[in-house]
Amino acid sequence: DVKVTQSSRYLVKRTGEKVFLECVQDMDHENMFWYRQDPGLGLRLIYFSYDVKMKEKGDIPEGYSVSREKKERFSLILESASTNQTSMYLCASSPFSGRAVHEQFFGPGTRLTVL
Amino acid sequence: GNSVTQMEGPVTLSEEAFLTINCTYTATGYPSLFWYVQYPGEGLQLLLKATKADDKGSNKGFEATYRKETTSFHLEKGSVQVSDSAVYFCALNYGGATNKLIFGTGTLLAVQP
Repeated sequence: DVKVTQSSRYLVKRTGEKVFLECVQDMDHENMFWYRQDPGLGLRLIYFSYDVKMKEKGDIPEGYSVSREKKERFSLILESASTNQTSMYLCASSPFSGRAVHEQFFGPGTRLTVL
Repeated sequence: GNSVTQMEGPVTLSEEAFLTINCTYTATGYPSLFWYVQYPGEGLQLLLKATKADDKGSNKGFEATYRKETTSFHLEKGSVQVSDSAVYFCALNYGGATNKLIFGTGTLLAVQP
């Protein structure tokens, strides 16, 4: 089974702190994604990566950065956390598509609270 | 642009009732369509998918048919159980190697015994 793990289920940080959210997948997938999930807004894409060291902005990248130094690991960084970044963060991975359509596999999520 | 619209929740049903959750989409070209489910305290998992017009996806008693003429992908189940209580997300994949998805806002289903 594909497994996507996230470093923490719950995290509480203070305004202005630098926050690292880690995601690891064990299926050798090329694509990895970070979303945030908020009530009434669904899932919104923050950043995605299609290869090691490659990244592209999603729909809401402001206030976030990412790092992908190894294929299995994709990190989301909040350089200076703010209260409006309190949310559920979900990581996902999927194989390279080519001509086929593949599902995304999700981790359990990290609920981040910024005080 | 591409978008997904799904019915607002919460939807509250009694056990064994019939379920419909509406989903419509706007897209250029021919997207693939998905339903994901999120059980309490968990991440999302794929429930079913359809990759072309008139395809029917099915899993665990749930079904959805890709209707190009009405740009819809409504989720149905004939008899819901308490264990189906979850948030359901409709999504589309508008193609490309990166497999990016656009999600609807989610519909909370609560099934009462």
